[in-house]
Amino acid sequence: DGGITQSPKYLFRKEGQNVTLSCEQNLNHDAMYWYRQDPGQGLRLIYYSQIVNDFQKGDIAEGYSVSREKKESFPLTVTSAQKNPTAFYLCASNYRTGGGNQPQHFGDGTRLSIL
Amino acid sequence: KQEVTQIPAALSVPEGENLVLNCSFTDSAIYNLQWFRQDPGKGLTSLLLIQSSQREQTSGRLNASLDKSSGRSTLYIAASQPGDSATYLCAAPIQGAQKLVFGQGTRLTINP
Repeated sequence: DGGITQSPKYLFRKEGQNVTLSCEQNLNHDAMYWYRQDPGQGLRLIYYSQIVNDFQKGDIAEGYSVSREKKESFPLTVTSAQKNPTAFYLCASNYRTGGGNQPQHFGDGTRLSIL
Repeated sequence: KQEVTQIPAALSVPEGENLVLNCSFTDSAIYNLQWFRQDPGKGLTSLLLIQSSQREQTSGRLNASLDKSSGRSTLYIAASQPGDSATYLCAAPIQGAQKLVFGQGTRLTINP
């Protein structure tokens, strides 16, 4: 079955440590996205990529980095510069169209906590 | 700048009732309006996407409407069931339709 796989489901970060969250999709989607969700809040966009080897900052990119070397993969690194990383991280993807009329598909998320 | 608001933040109704969830947006020049469902600890599931040229979309017991002139969308759930309990989020795209702006969601509880 096609879908988006995020791993790990739970992740713990020590002070000063960088951690990487994995996102893989087999939907042949062009565009991929990373969102952060805090309790009781909606989703905020961290980074997005519409094509391989290209990505753009979202609304809260500081302290995060991404790469898009393959169409299927869009890993997110939470760096030590992100001082409040505890949150639920969601990866999404969709087809890239001019009209934007394609729904985004989401993975099941990674919950990141500080040790 | 697009802002999306959902009121109320939480709603509790008895099983069997019909109900309406509300979504407001500030910029009426939207490509579409999307409704999602989120179960606790899970990702989002796309429910309905209304294109800007449409006024409503239906899927089973769900009906979503879009009124761009008033900046409002509603999600109507008919004959609610306990399995409908979840958080419902709406989202509107900006910047060439690739970036979504989400509301904070309405947490719905259907009581048996």
